[in-house]
Amino acid sequence: HLQLQESGPGLVKPSETLSLTCTVSGVSISGSSYYWGWIRQSPGKGLEWIGSVYYTGSSYSNSSLKSRVSIFVDTSTNQFSLKLSSVTAADTALYYCAASLASYCVGVSCYGWFDPWGQGTLVIVSS
Amino acid sequence: EIVLTQSPGTLSLSPGERATLSCRASQSVNSSYLAWYQQKPGQAPRLLIYGASSRATGIPDRFSGRGSGTDFTLSISGLEPEDFAVYYCQQYGSSLWTFGQGTQVEVK
Repeated sequence: HLQLQESGPGLVKPSETLSLTCTVSGVSISGSSYYWGWIRQSPGKGLEWIGSVYYTGSSYSNSSLKSRVSIFVDTSTNQFSLKLSSVTAADTALYYCAASLASYCVGVSCYGWFDPWGQGTLVIVSS
Repeated sequence: EIVLTQSPGTLSLSPGERATLSCRASQSVNSSYLAWYQQKPGQAPRLLIYGASSRATGIPDRFSGRGSGTDFTLSISGLEPEDFAVYYCQQYGSSLWTFGQGTQVEVK
């Protein structure tokens, strides 16, 4: 039974880097066909896909955030992580991690629906 | 970027009634790569439908999806008390996944 759980600081100062980790249980990150993603939800922007990563380390992200986003996996701990640099108040949101199976791929980037999701973690950007 | 517009914003219905939710895309969604999610307060979104019309595991058959191109619909036949929630569509047919802004189904 695949489950995901986000963890990380709930408060980040403006201009600093937001760091979150998603712990995967019920399946091995390196032994499955899943892609691992981050999505955030805020009152102003709704649901927004941030980026995704495969167990090989190959990652791809939302072009609007690309220059600030880094997503990577740690197969030894069965976790994957998000780093978002130079945060502002606009990055305040509920951050979810989720799994997706590939419906199709373009090069190393694969796309599909998200299932399941973690419970989410609230990150506030404020000094 | 494919913009998804959901309508109506709020749907007020009574238990037992049929709900019809719309999701319109700003350009054609490749191969009907569209999903629907349900979100209840304090919970993460839950997958209902993928591929525009395929029900996810464990989803009751009162939920159905249809559509192609730019117009998609989620129907709930006979609303149960637990179905009152917010519903989102999501397209994964382009390199930038996007979501609709949601439709809230509330008790009339």
